[in-house]
Amino acid sequence: QVQLVESGGGVVQPGGSLRLSCTASGFTLDIYGMYWVRQAPGKGLEWVAFIRYYGVNKYYADSVKGRFTVSSDNSNNTLYLEMNSLTVEDTAVYYCAKDGRPYAGNGYWFFDLWGRGSLVTVSS
Amino acid sequence: QSALTQPPSVSGSPGQSVTISCTGSSSDVGSYDRVSWYQQPPGTAPKLMIYDVRTRPSGVPDRFSGSKSGNTASLTISGLQAEDEADYYCSSYRSLNTLVFGGGTKLTVL
Repeated sequence: QVQLVESGGGVVQPGGSLRLSCTASGFTLDIYGMYWVRQAPGKGLEWVAFIRYYGVNKYYADSVKGRFTVSSDNSNNTLYLEMNSLTVEDTAVYYCAKDGRPYAGNGYWFFDLWGRGSLVTVSS
Repeated sequence: QSALTQPPSVSGSPGQSVTISCTGSSSDVGSYDRVSWYQQPPGTAPKLMIYDVRTRPSGVPDRFSGSKSGNTASLTISGLQAEDEADYYCSSYRSLNTLVFGGGTKLTVL
C-alpha cells in the first residue's frame, strides 16, 4: 500500500527542538522530491521545505530558514524534519507529501500523496 | 511570502456549479503553469484535485476542472454534490524554488 506516515510530534517549550519522521511505503522515496507542509490550528496550508530526489538540493520557506533542516535516509525510506529554536508560531500539524512525478530536477511542486500529519505544539 | 488570494467562502445548491478563484502575481501564477488545487474535508489531510493548472489525477471526477488567465487561476466544480463540501486550497510554484498556497475557500453545499 502506498502511504506516508508521520511521527515524532508532541509538546515542546519555546526555544526547544523536535525531529519529525515520515516513513514511506509502497514506493522508493529517493527518486521523488519530498515536501513538508504545515497547517496551524484553524489556519491554511503553508509550505515549509523541499528535498530533491537523492537529497541533492534543499529549499526552505523564509519562516523556517536557518532553523529547520530536511533530510532523508534512503536505507529505511524515511524523510525527516529537524526543527530547532521553535516558537509558538511553529505550532501546527506537519504533513509530509510526495512530488507528483519522479526525477524532477527541482520539483514538480504538486503533491499526489500526503501523510495524515503530526501535531507539533510549542507552549510553555 | 504573501499567500495567494482566494475568497473565504463560496456556496451552491446540489447540481449547480461554483467557481473558486485564486489570484497571485507575475512571480507565481502568472509565470508558471504549476498551479494545483487541493480538497480538505474537516480533520483530514488534503487531497490533490488538479495539477498543472488543468490536469485531473486519476480518480478525480470530471466535474472538477481548472483554468488560468493571467495572474488568476480558477477551480470550477459542476454538478455540485454534498460530498464536495470541504475547504479548497490553491497552490503555485513561485520563483526561486518556493511554493505559495492560497488562504483557502470553504465550500458549502446548501
